[in-house]
Amino acid sequence: AQSVTQPDIHITVSEGASLELRCNYSYGATPYLFWYVQSPGQGLQLLLKYFSGDTLVQGIKGFEAEFKRSQSSFNLRKPSVHWSDAAEYFCAVGPFGGSARQLTFGSGTQLTVLP
Amino acid sequence: DGGITQSPKYLFRKEGQNVTLSCEQNLNHDAMYWYRQDPGQGLRLIYYSQIVNDFQKGDIAEGYSVSREKKESFPLTVTSAQKNPTAFYLCASSRDRDFGYTFGSGTRLTVV
Repeated sequence: AQSVTQPDIHITVSEGASLELRCNYSYGATPYLFWYVQSPGQGLQLLLKYFSGDTLVQGIKGFEAEFKRSQSSFNLRKPSVHWSDAAEYFCAVGPFGGSARQLTFGSGTQLTVLP
Repeated sequence: DGGITQSPKYLFRKEGQNVTLSCEQNLNHDAMYWYRQDPGQGLRLIYYSQIVNDFQKGDIAEGYSVSREKKESFPLTVTSAQKNPTAFYLCASSRDRDFGYTFGSGTRLTVV
């Protein structure tokens, strides 16, 4: 079965500092990987996704993520955090191919940005 | 603009009542999903439907029911059998997994 682990429940950074949110997955084949962001009381918005090819993926709002197969990781990064980035971030994994269209989500990382 | 509309945004239910959460999409997506979100637990899949008139149970289907009579609509009923229904409910749709999911803005259900 596929699973996703986000080891950091809560991260606090200062505005302008760099950010890295960790995501580790368990899956027996090539996965589809996603990062979503959720503002309070809202739905989830897709930041970026990885299917194949270049292991460094660029997303919206200046975010990027790097797929490392050897480490089963898909960490999200941003070089300079803005106060508006404060939100909850979810990593998700889905099966490559097959008929089941399901994503498995991590438990989320809450990001606080200090002025 | 295409998107997913969930209604109502807030819903209050008395003990023993059934309530239905609405989810409508105009994205022409085939697949639709219902997730439940509780603090610190991420998203858990309740039901999903890949095509009209067909749906499958997710990880926590007990106490919930769905229907998919139209491609655009995937309502979720929270029955009195659901022991702890207070949560944030998210509906999502996808044309194909390659494109990720589009989420609605959620319904917060509270039992009073």
